[in-house]
Amino acid sequence: SAVISQKPSRDICQRGTSLTIQCQVDSQVTMMFWYRQQPGQSLTLIATANQGSEATYESGFVIDKFPISRPNLTFSTLTVSNMSPEDSSIYLCSGGTGTGGTEAFFGQGTRLTVV
Amino acid sequence: AQSVTQLGSHVSVSEGALVLLRCNYSSSVPPYLFWYVQYPNQGLQLLLKYTTGATLVKGINGFEAEFKKSETSFHLTKPSAHMSDAAEYFCAVSVRERANNLFFGTGTRLTVIP
Repeated sequence: SAVISQKPSRDICQRGTSLTIQCQVDSQVTMMFWYRQQPGQSLTLIATANQGSEATYESGFVIDKFPISRPNLTFSTLTVSNMSPEDSSIYLCSGGTGTGGTEAFFGQGTRLTVV
Repeated sequence: AQSVTQLGSHVSVSEGALVLLRCNYSSSVPPYLFWYVQYPNQGLQLLLKYTTGATLVKGINGFEAEFKKSETSFHLTKPSAHMSDAAEYFCAVSVRERANNLFFGTGTRLTVIP
């Protein structure tokens, strides 16, 4: 299994600013993903973080709002840009081996509050 | 496309009683099914998974789930609830073509009454 660490664990930000969330995996993983969990709701996939290339975004999410980097197999960042109160959520990073049927491992999440 | 429906956003059981959390899935290809648990202020922890083979899957903390293809279900059970089982439970589905890419249900919050 892989251990995934996220920083920061929580933050309170002013609207209009940006926050970058870091995700570090203790071993190389093929796949890395970013999810959003809005208050009282389930997890929604934002994008797949691709090593050395642009992330693959799901419908409803765009690179300008959620730029993602993945410079190597163990590290990724998600930036929440030009934040509004609607961006208040928990953001989770996950990783996996890329083999069908294997589970994804999750970080503890970043609880973001935008005021 | 894949999707998951969890019936009951909140379930309450007495300590020692049977836990039953319901999950139905939709998938056009053979699915992989997962149950995750989320404790307050923590990330998701895998309870168990079904890939192929035996349809009754045992996981951690005494939980198990049975894959029933005819009913497109993957319900989670535990014979006797403990106080420590109080948490949010998520059912998820993925497919081989999008490995590790999980589609989650809306979650079920389990409350255990002393």
